[in-house]
Amino acid sequence: AQSVAQPEDQVNVAEGNPLTVKCTYSVSGNPYLFWYVQYPNRGLQFLLKYITGDNLVKGSYGFEAEFNKSQTSFHLKKPSALVSDSALYFCAVRDITGGSYIPTFGRGTSLIVHP
Amino acid sequence: DTGVSQDPRHKITKRGQNVTFRCDPISEHNRLYWYRQTLGQGPEFLTYFQNEAQLEKSRLLSDRFSAERPKGSFSTLEIQRTEQGDSAMYLCASRDRVGFTGELFFGEGSRLTVL
Repeated sequence: AQSVAQPEDQVNVAEGNPLTVKCTYSVSGNPYLFWYVQYPNRGLQFLLKYITGDNLVKGSYGFEAEFNKSQTSFHLKKPSALVSDSALYFCAVRDITGGSYIPTFGRGTSLIVHP
Repeated sequence: DTGVSQDPRHKITKRGQNVTFRCDPISEHNRLYWYRQTLGQGPEFLTYFQNEAQLEKSRLLSDRFSAERPKGSFSTLEIQRTEQGDSAMYLCASRDRVGFTGELFFGEGSRLTVL
């Protein structure tokens, strides 16, 4: 079975400060990991992914995420937050050894960036 | 617009009525997914198609739910005898056939309200 936990329902940060949105995962084998963003009344948009290789992956809009196998984490980060980054963020995982092509999503974290 | 298209965007219905949602994926994508998202939750997997074949179904997809993709292009999701608990956003996503290291492309969603 595969699962994702996003321990924070909401993250508040001031504009210009660094931000972190946390994600931990559970898989039987090796994971593919993803971050998506959702703006109000819109579908999900892909931000970045970890497949293999460098543990630090860079994605859209200046976001990056660090894969930590020992801690089974894939936290989303950005060095300097913008008000326009305010949105819902979803972490997703797929167990590549399980034979399924279905990603499992976390419940989401609401990021609020204050001016 | 060459993205994933969903119709209708909003549907209000009375309990007991049937509703149908349509999804038009990106044209070269032969994999298609349906997810359901309720307030405060992440997307929950419903069903997955490869071309016209429905390869996986979640236990969430009760016998009141049926999905089809008759010619491997657009897909429909029908809910019969709707219940208030069916109120949710129904998300469609697609991807191409080349492995699965990449992202899903989501539509804007179809919001269902059952009165």
